[in-house]
Amino acid sequence: GAVVSQHPSWVICKSGTSVKIECRSLDFQATTMFWYRQFPKQSLMLMATSNEGSKATYEQGVEKDKFLINHASLTLSTLTVTSAHPEDSSFYICSAGQGDSPLHFGNGTRLTVT
Amino acid sequence: AQTVTQSQPEMSVQEAETVTLSCTYDTSESDYYLFWYKQPPSRQMILVIRQEAYKQQNATENRFSVNFQKAAKSFSLKISDSQLGDAAMYFCAYRSEAGGGADGLTFGKGTHLIIQP
Repeated sequence: GAVVSQHPSWVICKSGTSVKIECRSLDFQATTMFWYRQFPKQSLMLMATSNEGSKATYEQGVEKDKFLINHASLTLSTLTVTSAHPEDSSFYICSAGQGDSPLHFGNGTRLTVT
Repeated sequence: AQTVTQSQPEMSVQEAETVTLSCTYDTSESDYYLFWYKQPPSRQMILVIRQEAYKQQNATENRFSVNFQKAAKSFSLKISDSQLGDAAMYFCAYRSEAGGGADGLTFGKGTHLIIQP
């Protein structure tokens, strides 16, 4: 079945540094990928839609300069958390699919900013 | 904008019994998809079941079935013969069909399902 790989699974960084998270579709091409954020014991909130070859679409309230998204190929989208602060600590999950097919999720990345 | 509401923060059921998780949603669209996802402690999102809004027949997947009431905008999940491995957070989710795959999922707040042995 379709697989989405997300890397790293967890990362600890110091406040003020940047962190890059990768999301790869392993056996299909994804023109669109989605990035979600999940705080402890809360639901997933859509942050942005990553579009191959064009700018990402951000949800209201999500800072595009803070969360940089690049979708350079049909199988890779990256989310960079710039100048990370402790409040950015969260669980980040990507998902991808083809057309209207069900979305497949990566295993998520647990980010801790100290 | 669409909203998804799960009014049961937590549900508990005896092993082998049946449990129903509630979900309601609000939308002005006529074409959309509804999903139930399971998130165990590993936090991996696992698709449980999917329903296309244009289909009147309720979706079923083995022990999992839904009661889809489009007019009432209700989409409940029934788990039969509950097993210990069913214990997890369950999220109801909505996805518009209008975008042709360009829209992400809108999730409810989730229901924590506990299975009593």
